[in-house]
Amino acid sequence: DTAVSQTPKYLVTQMGNDKSIKCEQNLGHDTMYWYKQDSKKFLKIMFSYNNKELIINETVPNRFSPKSPDKAHLNLHINSLELGDSAVYFCASSQGSGRASGANVLTFGAGSRLTVL
Amino acid sequence: AQSVTQLDSQVPVFEEAPVELRCNYSSSVSVYLFWYVQYPNQGLQLLLKYLSGSTLVKGINGFEAEFNKSQTSFHLRKPSVHISDTAEYFCAVSERGSNYKLTFGKGTLLTVNP
Repeated sequence: DTAVSQTPKYLVTQMGNDKSIKCEQNLGHDTMYWYKQDSKKFLKIMFSYNNKELIINETVPNRFSPKSPDKAHLNLHINSLELGDSAVYFCASSQGSGRASGANVLTFGAGSRLTVL
Repeated sequence: AQSVTQLDSQVPVFEEAPVELRCNYSSSVSVYLFWYVQYPNQGLQLLLKYLSGSTLVKGINGFEAEFNKSQTSFHLRKPSVHISDTAEYFCAVSERGSNYKLTFGKGTLLTVNP
């Protein structure tokens, strides 16, 4: 009955490889997000999709590409991995859209810890 | 653009002591305010939120926070903490009527010692 599920939970890979993290939510939410949490626990938004439409795209290298096949899924693909990409990546979702969207509570997944060697 | 400052990166306290975790925000418009908690090796979960109305909001696990518009603060308090409250606490802000962007502070690690 997991609300927001991410796979894999742990990912260890070499520099230069390409990897994907998948996220699915069964809450019927309209909006999904990817956040990056660095080693100092700082959380920064990367992307957000509302009903499969990209609505937030922060300053993130082009090597990161989100894909939302439907509103219940938001995947993150990373090309040419670098040491600095090591972090915990959190997927989240929230209900609703429009001008009141800022009031919406985010439901987070458990995180995917990426380690680049 | 909005921003959040959590004034303490770490707060150690003894069990059953009161605690206050400080949060200040900056925004040119009205805001919504949140506190999230992250237990070790887990995702974040909502503790409480301020959207409008009463400035004192109560959340889960006995936590409460007070919105102070003049001081642009949203400090989190608990009168008596437990060992199980040991976690990272994040204050977050989003702007009214704008977008979906939730901006987090850098977090405060609350460590409750026996």
